[in-house]
Amino acid sequence: AQKITQTQPGMFVQEKEAVTLDCTYDTSDPSYGLFWYKQPSSGEMIFLIYQGSYDQQNATEGRYSLNFQKARKSANLVISASQLGDSAMYFCAMKGLSTLTFGKGTMLLVSP
Amino acid sequence: DGGITQSPKYLFRKEGQNVTLSCEQNLNHDAMYWYRQDPGQGLRLIYYSQIVNDFQKGDIAEGYSVSREKKESFPLTVTSAQKNPTAFYLCASRITSGSYNEQFFGPGTRLTVL
Repeated sequence: AQKITQTQPGMFVQEKEAVTLDCTYDTSDPSYGLFWYKQPSSGEMIFLIYQGSYDQQNATEGRYSLNFQKARKSANLVISASQLGDSAMYFCAMKGLSTLTFGKGTMLLVSP
Repeated sequence: DGGITQSPKYLFRKEGQNVTLSCEQNLNHDAMYWYRQDPGQGLRLIYYSQIVNDFQKGDIAEGYSVSREKKESFPLTVTSAQKNPTAFYLCASRITSGSYNEQFFGPGTRLTVL
């Protein structure tokens, strides 16, 4: 069975600072993938970034990067230069054969 | 404009009534999914379908039913057997071939049972 753990219920950061959102996972599959999604207050889920278990380099997408430490089973999301619009819920998810398993999320609040 | 539509955005029903939530996609995606989200919680999988006329139960299928008669449509019925149906419901789809196949989500339907 796959499991995703996000231990930070909420995080505060000042505008323009970097922030790291934690995600640890557990799986017995040798091949897996990890996603991060953003959920603003409006409710839609927005795909941010993906990391495959065999990818040699950490994924990056603009201001988002994934700090992937396979031995520690962690896939932390790093947001550089936070903006007010980054305030939202953030979910880490693991890809199974056909489905995704989600963590409980971290609420990020960016202050001016 | 390609995307996923869910209607309505807000839905109110009386206890004991069945209600059907709509999900339509024009992305030509093969697989479609229904999730339930409760306050402060992550998403839990209700049902999913990878091809037309076939679907599988997710982690919390009890009290729900689905159909997949067309590739574009995957309606979810919340039956009176669902003990606590008030929640936010999200529909998603993805293509099953290619690279990492992220799921694309609709805007969601907030169901309140009175």
